[in-house]
Amino acid sequence: RKEVEQDPGPFNVPEGATVAFNCTYSNSASQSFFWYRQDCRKEPKLLMSVYSSGNEDGRFTAQLNRASQYISLLIRDSKLSDSATYLCVVNKGGKLIFGQGTELSVKP
Amino acid sequence: ETGVTQSPTHLIKTRGQQVTLRCSSQSGHNTVSWYQQALGQGPQFIFQYYREEENGRGNFPPRFSGLQFPNYSSELNVNALELDDSALYLCASSWEVGRQPKKYEQYFGPGTRLTVT
Repeated sequence: RKEVEQDPGPFNVPEGATVAFNCTYSNSASQSFFWYRQDCRKEPKLLMSVYSSGNEDGRFTAQLNRASQYISLLIRDSKLSDSATYLCVVNKGGKLIFGQGTELSVKP
Repeated sequence: ETGVTQSPTHLIKTRGQQVTLRCSSQSGHNTVSWYQQALGQGPQFIFQYYREEENGRGNFPPRFSGLQFPNYSSELNVNALELDDSALYLCASSWEVGRQPKKYEQYFGPGTRLTVT
């Protein structure tokens, strides 16, 4: 079993839609979690950090359920510019463990 | 931009050769981590350097080695290149205090795309 597992993609949604990504992790000792965004052939960029039960930043909301070892990312009012791959990341002793990523394509 | 720089941006090598990749960390960051990202996969942790010492290593063979310099910049060396080493190599910088991350966030450079033929 992979340490971090994400929903398989791609997600194809119209502009303005709400989309949710799910992620599960296997190491119950993990303390910090992140969502990174990666555009095609570019480096991952930090989108949100999740240290407690959740975090909200504008249209983006991340939630953490430690009992179920589950993290989610909700994007409201999708924009064309949100098209990217979203990586669920778990911090394990200072090293980042990445999920495979979920591709999002927002269409006009 | 994160302020993390990497060189070169692209590199083509043949099987069996050796390669050195370079990374300069973000100002104020003392720790550098290296990741390998194969096409269609998430980045995989190679190793991390803190105060010029290796501070954790992933499941990569010894032919992957590294260095960190007093100015916190870092090198990744790969010997005896194999076709499967073709990937995007990413470095990320962060701030660690006494081997414990003060802030867990890591910021990535643009990567070096290595092709092994």
